[in-house]
Amino acid sequence: AQSVTQLDSHVSVSEGTPVLLRCNYSSSYSPSLFWYVQHPNKGLQLLLKYTSAATLVKGINGFEAEFKKSETSFHLTKPSAHMSDAAEYFCVVSDDSSNTGKLIFGQGTTLQVKP
Amino acid sequence: DAGVIQSPRHEVTEMGQEVTLRCKPISGHNSLFWYRQTMMRGLELLIYFNNNVPIDDSGMPEDRFSAKMPNASFSTLKIQPSEPRDSAVYFCASRPDVGQLAKNIQYFGAGTRLSVL
Repeated sequence: AQSVTQLDSHVSVSEGTPVLLRCNYSSSYSPSLFWYVQHPNKGLQLLLKYTSAATLVKGINGFEAEFKKSETSFHLTKPSAHMSDAAEYFCVVSDDSSNTGKLIFGQGTTLQVKP
Repeated sequence: DAGVIQSPRHEVTEMGQEVTLRCKPISGHNSLFWYRQTMMRGLELLIYFNNNVPIDDSGMPEDRFSAKMPNASFSTLKIQPSEPRDSAVYFCASRPDVGQLAKNIQYFGAGTRLSVL
């Protein structure tokens, strides 16, 4: 069965410093992985996705993630945090086993950006 | 496209009342999902429709919850009777089905925040 573990429930960075949000996955298949962002009182917005093409995936707003099969990781990074990046971030794996593409969400990481 | 549209955005009701949440998916999308988000349990999939047919409702908590999709442009999630523990944010998402389903993106609505007093 597929699962994702977000290693940090809360990350705090200063504006202008790098962001690292960690995610490990478990999958019996070649996984499809996503990062979604949720700003306060908003819906979820796709940041980026990995679907077995290039292992370094670039997303919106300067975010990127690297798929590392050997480490079963899909960490999200950004070189320089902006105040508007403060939000909840979800690492998500798509369930390939049932051919339904159901999403399995991590518990989320709250990113705080300090001025 | 306006995206996935959910209504109402906020709903406050009293225990025992019927609650109906509505969703309009993105035109042309084949699949529709209802999720519930709480602090304790995170994001949970409640039910999944494909071409208006319920495919997987294993996440529906109990018989008080029901969902319908009478046509490709409308779905409802109903709770009857509602209880305080149903208080949560309910999201609807739709997905275009092209090729391998797992690779396709789900697009989320803004959610309905339900408070049952």
